[in-house]
Amino acid sequence: DQQVKQNSPSLSVQEGRISILNCDYTNSMFDYFLWYKKYPAEGPTFLISISSIKDKNEDGRFTVFLNKSAKHLSLHIVPSQPGDSAVYFCAASARNAGNNRKLIWGLGTSLAVNP
Amino acid sequence: GAVVSQHPSWVICKSGTSVKIECRSLDFQATTMFWYRQFPKQSLMLMATSNEGSKATYEQGVEKDKFLINHASLTLSTLTVTSAHPEDSSFYICSARSGSSVYSPLHFGNGTRLTVT
Repeated sequence: DQQVKQNSPSLSVQEGRISILNCDYTNSMFDYFLWYKKYPAEGPTFLISISSIKDKNEDGRFTVFLNKSAKHLSLHIVPSQPGDSAVYFCAASARNAGNNRKLIWGLGTSLAVNP
Repeated sequence: GAVVSQHPSWVICKSGTSVKIECRSLDFQATTMFWYRQFPKQSLMLMATSNEGSKATYEQGVEKDKFLINHASLTLSTLTVTSAHPEDSSFYICSARSGSSVYSPLHFGNGTRLTVT
């Protein structure tokens, strides 16, 4: 059972336009969400996070929006750059997950930003 | 920023041999490290949580006798794949939290590509 779902395996965007990556979750106990970026043959790199007490968090070109009622979050990248081309993973952790706060991962969305 | 170094980046071994993968936090201390595995076109799968000075906690379905984890210091955790078989071929990634808060993001090593022939 996939608790964190990224339903779009891939996304193609023109350079300079907005990239919107979506993530849905099913576990109502999730209260912390993160986005990671991953290049081939490398480990994921942390991008941005959001706590369930907020509905928006912004860091430079990256903004994450959280809609708790819909159990949906999205990552907006604007303007998109060719260097943003990578696989983006959505991850979540639950308030009842214990001290180590195990992350539950989506399957990732491969973003291609075309020059 | 927080840096996690993983070594080796790739290794090829024969079936039946053991392989050790090291994970180091270079500029911070990590009481907890996490070991993941990723199959092609699949998500990251948490294998085990490595706690400094105590036994690792393994996820369901992960054989603790096959994947030996040692976290002997605050900056080093090792994963040993014992008696490796071709089905163990995968991309193994370690991670660690740079802060004491459970909300501190995980920082990942660059992974180890294991190929068992």
